[in-house]
Order: sequence, then C-alpha cells, then structure tokens
Amino acid sequence: RKEVEQDPGPFNVPEGATVAFNCTYSNSASQSFFWYRQDCRKEPKLLMSVYSSGNEDGRFTAQLNRASQYISLLIRDSKLSDSATYLCVVRYSSASKIIFGSGTRLSIRP
Amino acid sequence: GAGVSQSPSNKVTEKGKDVELRCDPISGHTALYWYRQSLGQGLEFLIYFQGNSAPDKSGLPSDRFSAERTGGSVSTLTIQRTQQEDSAVYLCASSPPPGWETQYFGPGTRLLVL
Repeated sequence: RKEVEQDPGPFNVPEGATVAFNCTYSNSASQSFFWYRQDCRKEPKLLMSVYSSGNEDGRFTAQLNRASQYISLLIRDSKLSDSATYLCVVRYSSASKIIFGSGTRLSIRP
Repeated sequence: GAGVSQSPSNKVTEKGKDVELRCDPISGHTALYWYRQSLGQGLEFLIYFQGNSAPDKSGLPSDRFSAERTGGSVSTLTIQRTQQEDSAVYLCASSPPPGWETQYFGPGTRLLVL
C-alpha cells in the first residue's frame, strides 16, 4: 500500500461546477499536509497548506480528517484555468520525510 | 526575486555515460531537495540537504546516484553509468528556514537516456 494515495482521475467537470477529491495517508505520525498544483510539463507549485481546523482560500477549501487519515480539496465555481494535476503532500516528523501522492488529474470543460 | 533554477533544461545521453544536473536554489534557502518524476507518476524523493547537516540520502535508488551541495547553495546531482530507466524529469526544490514548509520547485531537467 502506498503511503499517500490519490484517485488518479481524470475528473472531467463542466466550468462552474464544484469538484472535490480526497487523499488518504497511511502513517498516523504525519504532521503537515499540503496541496500542490502541477500543470502539464511544469513544476509543482504550492496551492495551499491544510490545517487541522480546515482552511479556505477563495474558491478552494481544504480539510483534514486525522481520525480517518485523509485530506480533501474542494474547488467551487471551477474555472478552465483550474485544469491541472493536484498533488497531495504529507510531511512526517523529519523535514526530509515528505511524501508526494501521484496526483489527481482535473480537466474543466467549457 | 529569482526562483530556483536548474540546468540543463533537457539532456539526452547515451546509456553508460555520466551526467551532471545542476540546481541553484533561492538565495537564503537552507533546505534543498532533489526529486525524480517519471512520466505520469508522482514525485520520488532522492536526497535532502539542510544547512551544514549531513544530507539524507535515503531516497537515492542506487550507488550510481550521488549529490553534493557546495557552500550551502548550489547542488549537483550526478548519475554515473546512466541506464534507460533513469530517464525522467529531475526536480530540485528549496525551502526557507526552518526548511519543511513551502517548497519552491525549479523547472526541472528532462533526462533521456538512449
């Protein structure tokens, strides 16, 4: 079993729709959680950190469920520019122990 | 300010040759990471440098891979006797102190081993 698992997708949704995807992690010692976005043939870029209380940044909402060991990302009013691969990232106790999920592909259609 | 830069952006080499990949982190960033990403796959951790501490090499796939970081800044990843399975995008990232929050990635080096 992978330490960080994501549904690879692709999720194909119409513009304006709300879409959500989860990421599960296996190690309960995980300390920090992030969502990164990666455009085709580009480098990953931080989208948002995920806090225990949940956090929102504009159309994006991230949630953490420690009991069930998953994090989620919700995108409201999706835009064409949201099309990308979304990477779930989990950090354990040491700075070097950072695990990236394989990513969920999202495609927004007009 | 300037971001993380990597060179070369693309590298084509023949099986058995050695290659060197360079990463220039953001000035002042103490942490530096190397990852490998194969087509359609997630990022595979290779090595981590933090300041003057001994690097965490636990992700290096074989002894053909090595990396160094000179003066706490520029880093070089060396792959000796390249194999076709080494073909991938090699990504470098740096983080400001304390070194584990936001990672800033370079554009990567696309390595193709023929």
